[in-house]
Amino acid sequence: RKEVEQDPGPFNVPEGATVAFNCTYSNSASQSFFWYRQDCRKEPKLLMSVYSSGNEDGRFTAQLNRASQYISLLIRDSKLSDSATYLCVVNFANAGGTSYGKLTFGQGTILTVHP
Amino acid sequence: DTAVSQTPKYLVTQMGNDKSIKCEQNLGHDTMYWYKQDSKKFLKIMFSYNNKELIINETVPNRFSPKSPDKAHLNLHINSLELGDSAVYFCASSHSWGGMNTEAFFGQGTRLTVV
Repeated sequence: RKEVEQDPGPFNVPEGATVAFNCTYSNSASQSFFWYRQDCRKEPKLLMSVYSSGNEDGRFTAQLNRASQYISLLIRDSKLSDSATYLCVVNFANAGGTSYGKLTFGQGTILTVHP
Repeated sequence: DTAVSQTPKYLVTQMGNDKSIKCEQNLGHDTMYWYKQDSKKFLKIMFSYNNKELIINETVPNRFSPKSPDKAHLNLHINSLELGDSAVYFCASSHSWGGMNTEAFFGQGTRLTVV
């Protein structure tokens, strides 16, 4: 199993659509999780942290399922400006749940929103 | 003010040469990272440092030597450059390496081309 695995896409959706991305991770002791976005030829930027109870930030909703080692990101009412690569990120931890500095990225999911 | 800055932005060099990339962060963070993003856009962690101390070395060839003179700087020196070293190298920093304050902020990247 890959350390952090995402469906690479690409996802091509019309403006206004709802789109969901999934991510699985191998390190069951991990405690912190994030979604980043990366625009073409730019650096990754934090989109949102993912909390155990799930969290929402405007049109974006992140969910965490620890039992299945699964993270999701839902984007509602897609905008043209949402076109980017979305990266699932997991801060790996040892068996005791202590992170050890290995912030691990998935390979990213490409989203294109068209008019 | 740029939070995480890398220099140079572009670097073209011949095989066998030695080169350095510099990184500085003004966020007051304790943890810094180097990532390599290859042609397939996969971001792979290379090193993590916390307060100038190495905490992660992800089986990177010893031609790559990071140096952290203080916690605000993490430079990357590469000896005997090879064609396969061509990639975008990102520096990042985070408040800490454990707990919830591990969201990372990235520099703009250094595009290294070895010819």
